[in-house]
Amino acid sequence: QVTLRESGPALVKPTQTLTLTCTFSGFSLSTSGMCVSWIRQPPGKALEWLARIDWDDDKYYSTSLKTRLTISKDTSKNQVVLTMTNMDPVDTATYYCARINAYFNWFDPWGQGTLVTVSS
Amino acid sequence: EIVMTQSPATLSVSPGERATLSCRASQSVSSNLAWYQQKPGQAPRLLIYGASTRATGIPARFSGSGSGTEFTLTISSLQSEDFAVYYCQQYNNWPPLFGPGTKVDIK
Repeated sequence: QVTLRESGPALVKPTQTLTLTCTFSGFSLSTSGMCVSWIRQPPGKALEWLARIDWDDDKYYSTSLKTRLTISKDTSKNQVVLTMTNMDPVDTATYYCARINAYFNWFDPWGQGTLVTVSS
Repeated sequence: EIVMTQSPATLSVSPGERATLSCRASQSVSSNLAWYQQKPGQAPRLLIYGASTRATGIPARFSGSGSGTEFTLTISSLQSEDFAVYYCQQYNNWPPLFGPGTKVDIK
C-alpha cells in the first residue's frame, strides 16, 4: 500500500522560509519512473502544481514560483523536502505531496495535506 | 500555456440522478486527462486517467469520455458519498494543470 504524509509548520511569518517534508512508504524513489510532486490549494480555491522530483534526481518547478522553490529527496529515508522562500500571506494553503509516475503523469495517491498559514 | 475550464461551476443534483460534468482545454491534450474527486477536508482522489480509464477501486457509475479539447465525467446515479468537488487535470503538456473544479451538491 502506497501512503504519503506531509509534515511541517502550521504557521510561518511573512518573509520566512517554509520547509515541508513528505514521508512516504510503499514505493522507492530509486525505482525508475517514480516521482513525487508537491501541489497546493489555497482555502476554497483550486489546485496548483508546484514542483516534482524524479528517481534520477531531475527536478521541475512551477514557472511562476521557480525562484522561490527547492525540492530535494533523501532516498534512504523515503522523504522529499520542499522549501519555499520569502513566504507571503497569499501562500496560505494546504500543501499536498503526491506520487507520480514519469510515464503516466497523473497524481496517485495523495497525502492528507498540511495547512500552512502565513501571518505575522 | 494551456488553460483548463470546467462547467458548470456548481451542479445541483438529486440522489439517484445522473450528473454530467464538462472539462475543456484551450488546446488539444489528446487523451491525457485525469479526473479527481475531493471531499471537504480530504485530499483529492484519482477517479479517471487517460480520459476514460477508471482508477483502481473506483465504482462503475463513474465514467469518463472525450479527447482533444472536450471531456466529460459522468456519474450515472449519484450516491450520497459522491457529493464533492471534481477537478480535471491535463498532463499532455508541461506543466501539469488543473481545472477550477465543479462542485456537485445536493438539490
